[in-house]
Amino acid sequence: KAGVTQTPRYLIKTRGQQVTLSCSPISGHRSVSWYQQTPGQGLQFLFEYFSETQRNKGNFPGRFSGRQFSNSRSEMNVSTLELGDSALYLCASSLEFSMDTQYFGPGTRLTVL
Amino acid sequence: QKEVEQNSGPLSVPEGAIASLNCTYSDRVSQSFFWYRQYSGKSPELIMSIYSNGDKEDGRFTAQLNKASQYVSLLIRDSQPSDSATYLCAVRLNTGNQFYFGTGTSLTVIP
Repeated sequence: KAGVTQTPRYLIKTRGQQVTLSCSPISGHRSVSWYQQTPGQGLQFLFEYFSETQRNKGNFPGRFSGRQFSNSRSEMNVSTLELGDSALYLCASSLEFSMDTQYFGPGTRLTVL
Repeated sequence: QKEVEQNSGPLSVPEGAIASLNCTYSDRVSQSFFWYRQYSGKSPELIMSIYSNGDKEDGRFTAQLNKASQYVSLLIRDSQPSDSATYLCAVRLNTGNQFYFGTGTSLTVIP
């Protein structure tokens, strides 16, 4: 069974631009969570989607948003990029909502110049 | 105050030794505790979960939880060079809530 896939793997943007990242969960998994990983803050939870609805949200500004499609694929969007948004964005999928076992994708490395 | 604290390390142990990784958390209502391993340039993978006070063993790995002291640890016995990675501690308040991760402890096992 294929794992979690994320596209693109690398992205370079400039301040003020917006970006959309994509995540395809493991086949059959219905929950997708997004995390931001930086050296200083570590892994921080952004949001979790299940059945096309945002079920949990972390402490990030409204510039960070996401959505989930009927096939469980998810996208996250960051608008008005700031230098501090440079990070590894990880997507994790789990079978159902709020399950303890989650499988991480390879991540998208975003660099904001 | 961060919800989950870990020593960033680096922690170095010789091959065959026991590596001890520690984690403290701030919220007393935390119920679920997890250890992830992250190799350099790779994504985290779950290696242990623990929910009750005491020890939980899985192969060379033992997780220890002490809710009164708000402390969870991971012991790696017979450490191997392939165990060299960053170990992330994660805590969940209760079902339905988000995961809180520590910043990780870098472990190097020296052959």
